[in-house]
Amino acid sequence: DAGVIQSPRHEVTEMGQEVTLRCKPISGHNSLFWYRQTMMRGLELLIYFNNNVPIDDSGMPEDRFSAKMPNASFSTLKIQPSEPRDSAVYFCASSSPSDNNNEQFFGPGTRLTVL
Amino acid sequence: AQSVSQHNHHVILSEAASLELGCNYSYGGTVNLFWYVQYPGQHLQLLLKYFSGDPLVKGIKGFEAEFIKSKFSFNLRKPSVQWSDTAEYFCAVKGTSYDKVIFGPGTSLSVIP
Repeated sequence: DAGVIQSPRHEVTEMGQEVTLRCKPISGHNSLFWYRQTMMRGLELLIYFNNNVPIDDSGMPEDRFSAKMPNASFSTLKIQPSEPRDSAVYFCASSSPSDNNNEQFFGPGTRLTVL
Repeated sequence: AQSVSQHNHHVILSEAASLELGCNYSYGGTVNLFWYVQYPGQHLQLLLKYFSGDPLVKGIKGFEAEFIKSKFSFNLRKPSVQWSDTAEYFCAVKGTSYDKVIFGPGTSLSVIP
């Protein structure tokens, strides 16, 4: 299994631009999580989906952030417009319904730099 | 609300020293507990997990953790650390009736050769 796949791995953009981060969860996993990691705030859960439905988006910082999961194998996290304080590593993780312990498998992350 | 605290922000040890990283959580019900490790520049990986049974859990690379229900704790231990254990360690908790996993703030471990 290829694991959780994220793209791009690195993104450098200018303030005001739209940024789209992509995630492909592990096949068969029905829960998907978006996290943001910074030195100041640590690891923060932004939003998670269960069976493609957003369950808890209370961690999404502002209306500039939006996430979608159009099908079981793809999710996007969009920031529009982006700001320098959005610079962070964004991780996607997925977990399996057959795993009663709900271990989360993390992707390699997208390192976002907003200038 | 669920929360997880980790006792130390940054720990520095010499090789072969023993390690114990503290973790406490707040949650009223049955929980699953995890320790994840993040090596420099890499993503989080599961180190070990507890869901039921023996409260002493053994994980990869010689790590173990003990669940003490009365203390709401799940401390991570290793008898002898190596330089390659230098990483960030995250404790996490999940209520069994809830999908969301709550991560602690992390403890950065630096092992000096």
